[in-house]
Amino acid sequence: DIQMTQSPSTLSASVGDRVTITCRASESIGVWLAWYQQKPGKAPKLLISKASNLETGVPSRFSGSGSGTEFTLTISSLQPDDLATYYCQHYVTYFYSFGQGTKLEIK
Amino acid sequence: EVQLVESGRGLVRPGGSLRLSCAGSGFTFSSYAMSWVRQPPGEGLEWVSTFSGSADTTYYADSVKGRFTISRDNSKNTLYLQVSSLRAEDTAVYYCARVAAHGYFDFWGQGVLVTVSS
Repeated sequence: DIQMTQSPSTLSASVGDRVTITCRASESIGVWLAWYQQKPGKAPKLLISKASNLETGVPSRFSGSGSGTEFTLTISSLQPDDLATYYCQHYVTYFYSFGQGTKLEIK
Repeated sequence: EVQLVESGRGLVRPGGSLRLSCAGSGFTFSSYAMSWVRQPPGEGLEWVSTFSGSADTTYYADSVKGRFTISRDNSKNTLYLQVSSLRAEDTAVYYCARVAAHGYFDFWGQGVLVTVSS
């Protein structure tokens, strides 16, 4: 099974900061990676698919990059509404798996 | 508008069973693979099972294989998850999710809580 590892587990940043979250796969997954945002008490929301494709309606301050085994989610200028936990997920096979999550806190 | 609405939440004793349902609307239900993803309280997301859109093929995480059964009724636009031989570690919010063409989850339901406790 493919294991997904995110870092850091928790991140504290100030409004306006540039924030980067890393996701590593235990083997190559090409570009078959999605990013989700989950706010407290809510269902996850798809932000990015195929490593870098921003979903319609997602603010342009979010971006994704990477391929193979290393991927990043970047928020170019952190906003208060970005308080959430972020998850990566591979879909190179039907046996999907998620990273353990990165909890983003606003200073 | 795509909507997914889960039902079937409950408190179940260890070893017990429950059936979760997920009603889809706003899209051609039969054309999409559908999945269940769960989240234990305070923890991360875990993929549970997927029912393919066209090939009637099912997939399960090792943690639930042999205990959970995914099914669907396209005439009712509904996905099901029969959960059996429940353990305390199955306590979680269970989400149904639509699987986009390549395998990511583009729409999610609001989730349904299953609590396994004596």
